[in-house]
Amino acid sequence: GESVGLHLPTLSVQEGDNSIINCAYSNSASDYFIWYKQESGKGPQFIIDIRSNMDKRQGQRVTVLLNKTVKHLSLQIAATQPGDSAVYFCATLMNSGYSTLTFGKGTMLLVSP
Amino acid sequence: GAVVSQHPSWVICKSGTSVKIECRSLDFQATTMFWYRQFPKQSLMLMATSNEGSKATYEQGVEKDKFLINHASLTLSTLTVTSAHPEDSSFYICSARGEVFANTGELFFGEGSRLTVL
Repeated sequence: GESVGLHLPTLSVQEGDNSIINCAYSNSASDYFIWYKQESGKGPQFIIDIRSNMDKRQGQRVTVLLNKTVKHLSLQIAATQPGDSAVYFCATLMNSGYSTLTFGKGTMLLVSP
Repeated sequence: GAVVSQHPSWVICKSGTSVKIECRSLDFQATTMFWYRQFPKQSLMLMATSNEGSKATYEQGVEKDKFLINHASLTLSTLTVTSAHPEDSSFYICSARGEVFANTGELFFGEGSRLTVL
């Protein structure tokens, strides 16, 4: 079955630094990728998504990069702020809306002021 | 974005009792709802998928008689933990998908329900 994993369980950065959170996925049939942010005691919050026909997508202070060759996904957060401290999950879908979401293990991002 | 509401946010119950958690889509019709379970410092684990008007599909290892799921309307799904035991204590999260979002695959998550069984 598909597995989605993260390289770093915890990432500590200083306020103002750029953060990079990585994710590896195993199923080459995955065609839709989402990053979620989860604050303590809350449900996941959508950050940004990307389809398999793209390799980069930018949002406000966030950029998602997709490398389908090595099945790797990353989330870049520019000028990280204390409010960015949370657990970040990558998730994958196959056939877009017609399959279930598979979550990675999560990375905790700790931002020091 | 669309809003999904869960209730209650926190619930404490005695062992052996049953607890019902509600998941509502507030501004869209949710044709499919998903229920997840999350233990501390772990990822979300899909428990079951429910489509409005039909029986839920449970993931392997999830007891359907233990975790009763009802999706009777396009805006409401309920998860009932029957005869709860301390090992059922967890964070339960629902998510919903509507036909209007089918092409994006985007899911909208509730705020989660923390269950503590004494």
